Amino acid sequence: DTGVSQNPRHKITKRGQNVTFRCDPISEHNRLYWYRQTLGQGPEFLTYFQNEAQLEKSRLLSDRFSAERPKGSFSTLEIQRTEQGDSAMYLCASSLGLAGHTQYFGPGTRLTVL
Amino acid sequence: AQTVTQSQPEMSVQEAETVTLSCTYDTSENNYYLFWYKQPPSRQMILVIRQEAYKQQNATENRFSVNFQKAAKSFSLKISDSQLGDTAMYFCAFISNNNDMRFGAGTRLTVKP
Repeated sequence: DTGVSQNPRHKITKRGQNVTFRCDPISEHNRLYWYRQTLGQGPEFLTYFQNEAQLEKSRLLSDRFSAERPKGSFSTLEIQRTEQGDSAMYLCASSLGLAGHTQYFGPGTRLTVL
Repeated sequence: AQTVTQSQPEMSVQEAETVTLSCTYDTSENNYYLFWYKQPPSRQMILVIRQEAYKQQNATENRFSVNFQKAAKSFSLKISDSQLGDTAMYFCAFISNNNDMRFGAGTRLTVKP
């Protein structure tokens, strides 16, 4: 197992376009988390899945953001009508079991909205 | 609201010396977990050390140890025998049963040769 992977690693888009990111967690991990990290700050929680169920969403996750994990394996995060304020690193993490278990992070997708 | 505060934006240490990074948090929960994560430049975040709040014994991982003071809501990280590869951003993080992991703003540590 090679850990959590994310694609693409970098995405440059024009304001108003839609973008989609993919996260492949560690294979046996049932929990998957999405975070956003802006320059010089710590990650901010966006949402998490337990298996295919999306159980919690942050108020940061506006209605332009949607996340799915259709088969309880990989997940996608879509941002519609991107804005310059969406420019950030989007991190995915996975874990096994309960909330206190260690989350393993992917390398992130860096989004730049022009 | 649960918050995590790292009051040292930047720190530096000479190679082979010891450095302590500070972290405080605020919560009304009694059962929670604390973490220190390391994010090297342009590389992904990796776990340094984890502490369960119900355990009084401070966690240790080789050169890394914590000083967990539950009553004071303090969770500092001590790095002994600092190495050049320890240069990174260090984030303190908190999670309780609501699954919303909160991170501090980070401390940029530079180990000097």
